[in-house]
Amino acid sequence: SAVISQKPSRDICQRGTSLTIQCQVDSQVTMMFWYRQQPGQSLTLIATANQGSEATYESGFVIDKFPISRPNLTFSTLTVSNMSPEDSSIYLCSVRAGGRSGELFFGEGSRLTVL
Amino acid sequence: QQQVKQSPQSLIVQKGGISIINCAYENTAFDYFPWYQQFPGKGPALLIAIRPDVSEKKEGRFTISFNKSAKQFSLHIMDSQPGDSATYFCAARGQAGTALIFGKGTTLSVSS
Repeated sequence: SAVISQKPSRDICQRGTSLTIQCQVDSQVTMMFWYRQQPGQSLTLIATANQGSEATYESGFVIDKFPISRPNLTFSTLTVSNMSPEDSSIYLCSVRAGGRSGELFFGEGSRLTVL
Repeated sequence: QQQVKQSPQSLIVQKGGISIINCAYENTAFDYFPWYQQFPGKGPALLIAIRPDVSEKKEGRFTISFNKSAKQFSLHIMDSQPGDSATYFCAARGQAGTALIFGKGTTLSVSS
């Protein structure tokens, strides 16, 4: 299993500002994923972050809006840039376990409210 | 992203009853089908998962039924309890290394 810590757990932000979310894992993992969960909605993949390479973004998400860093195998950050109320969501960091099961573990999420 | 369709959107079940949530997928390359349980304010947690080489998997009160030809799979919760009240997401994944694609979720309420 993997224990994932996210910071901040929640924040209230002003329109036009940027916020960086941190994700710390208790073990080294190759693959990390960032998901967005809008209120009452499902989880949508933002990007896949692998150490040593540029993040791979899904359709509808761009690096300028959601820059990601992955400096080592236990840590990643997601920045939500130039925020608008539409960015109010829960942002979830997840990692994939090793082995055939490939279970995906999630952090508790960072709940952002943009005013 | 390939779609995974989940139904119903919400479900109310009496304590002790059976909860059934259904999902359908399109991509025949999917080879891993997990169900996640999410409580308010928490991240999703893996409940049970199945691969397409079996038609059913049971863990305690939770069972996944898988129909490969119909491209459908379902979660059955036997003897549903109030503590099972949560949002359930089905998901699917293609080749190893790719991320999960989630259904829209089902909010289950088990009344006592």
